Amino acid sequence: KNQVEQSPQSLIILEGKNCTLQCNYTVSPFSNLRWYKQDTGRGPVSLTIMTFSENTKSNGRYTATLDADTKQSSLHITASQLSDSASYICVVSLAMDSNYQLIWGAGTKLIIKP
Amino acid sequence: NAGVTQTPKFQVLKTGQSMTLQCAQDMNHEYMSWYRQDPGMGLRLIHYSVGAGITDQGEVPNGYNVSRSTTEDFPLRLLSAAPSQTSVYFCASSTDSWSYNEQFFGPGTRLTVL
Repeated sequence: KNQVEQSPQSLIILEGKNCTLQCNYTVSPFSNLRWYKQDTGRGPVSLTIMTFSENTKSNGRYTATLDADTKQSSLHITASQLSDSASYICVVSLAMDSNYQLIWGAGTKLIIKP
Repeated sequence: NAGVTQTPKFQVLKTGQSMTLQCAQDMNHEYMSWYRQDPGMGLRLIHYSVGAGITDQGEVPNGYNVSRSTTEDFPLRLLSAAPSQTSVYFCASSTDSWSYNEQFFGPGTRLTVL
């Protein structure tokens, strides 16, 4: 069964600290993996997308990694800010001739405390 | 450029009532979709459209109808609301298939069915 599991479910860290969020997937055939940020009461916004051949991709203080062999991805946030408080969602796309084969994770809720 | 807009932001219905959630985008995107987001679960696709006049079912279509008469608008109709439809509903659009292309989400509609 195609699944995306994220850990931890929730995380609280102090402002200025770093953190890493995990995404494990059992999706086949794999096409790409995208990380979204969802602020409370808002829709998700894309942070980065990674294809099979990409190991690391950065977007400002956000760095995503992908290990296609172990089917794991991580999102590392450096020098966290209060505005980083949000849910972070991992989404995996299947390499199928279909329009809607996206497998969504349940997200990690990140709270940054001053 | 407003992006993707949704109305209303909040709605309370009684069991058996019907209503339409509105979604509009001003980016001339061909692909539009409706998702529901429930606690502890990933987003689930309800219906989608790949262009004006073309719609198809997603993962959880029962109890919902859609139509796409223009590129800009993609309303979601609840035919006879049930408590199981209590959820947050998101509309999204993209230039092409969301297997590779970023989806842009609206702010969501929080629906409660009593």
